Amino acid sequence: DADVTQTPRNRITKTGKRIMLECSQTKGHDRMYWYRQDPGLGLRLIYYSFDVKDINKGEISDGYSVSRQAQAKFSLSLESAIPNQTALYFCATSGQGYTGELFFGEGSRLTVL
Amino acid sequence: GENVEQHPSTLSVQEGDSAVIKCTYSDSASNYFPWYKQELGKRPQLIIDIRSNVGEKKDQRIAVTLNKTAKHFSLHITETQPEDSAVYFCAASSHRGSTLGRLYFGRGTQLTVWP
Repeated sequence: DADVTQTPRNRITKTGKRIMLECSQTKGHDRMYWYRQDPGLGLRLIYYSFDVKDINKGEISDGYSVSRQAQAKFSLSLESAIPNQTALYFCATSGQGYTGELFFGEGSRLTVL
Repeated sequence: GENVEQHPSTLSVQEGDSAVIKCTYSDSASNYFPWYKQELGKRPQLIIDIRSNVGEKKDQRIAVTLNKTAKHFSLHITETQPEDSAVYFCAASSHRGSTLGRLYFGRGTQLTVWP
């Protein structure tokens, strides 16, 4: 089945370490997104990319960077992790059509000690 | 940018009762309003959406209403069942021609349905 796959699913790391979360999709979608979920704060957009050459900041991009390696791959990096980046991270994709439905990955739970 | 507010943050209902979740938005250009459901430990999934040229849309036990003048939209779940327990997110976006812009999400409502 066409899907959105995130790796790793769980990661525990220490303050100051560099972390990369990877996302790949087989849906053939041009648009990819990285969201962060914290209890009570909903889904907050970190970065999004509408095609391979397009990268846009969301509302909470500070402390994060992204790379769109190919249409199907979009990675999120934390250059120097800090404890308040402990959260559940979701990658999502959508097509360019009128519907715009988001298809989420299963999530990556990151804990920064 | 767009600002979407969602209320209540938590909602508890008895099985069989109705549940209503309300959202407001700030950008009058927004014209697409989806709702996502996230069950415990799962990923969010689209359950219903509405466009600004429609005032109401139904799909079995769920319905969404939109009031463009007041800039608010609501999710209605009738005859609630325990499997409706989840976090529900509203969102808003706008189209530029045939292209949809990014979504702006509300903070979510934790719905609990008691048997």
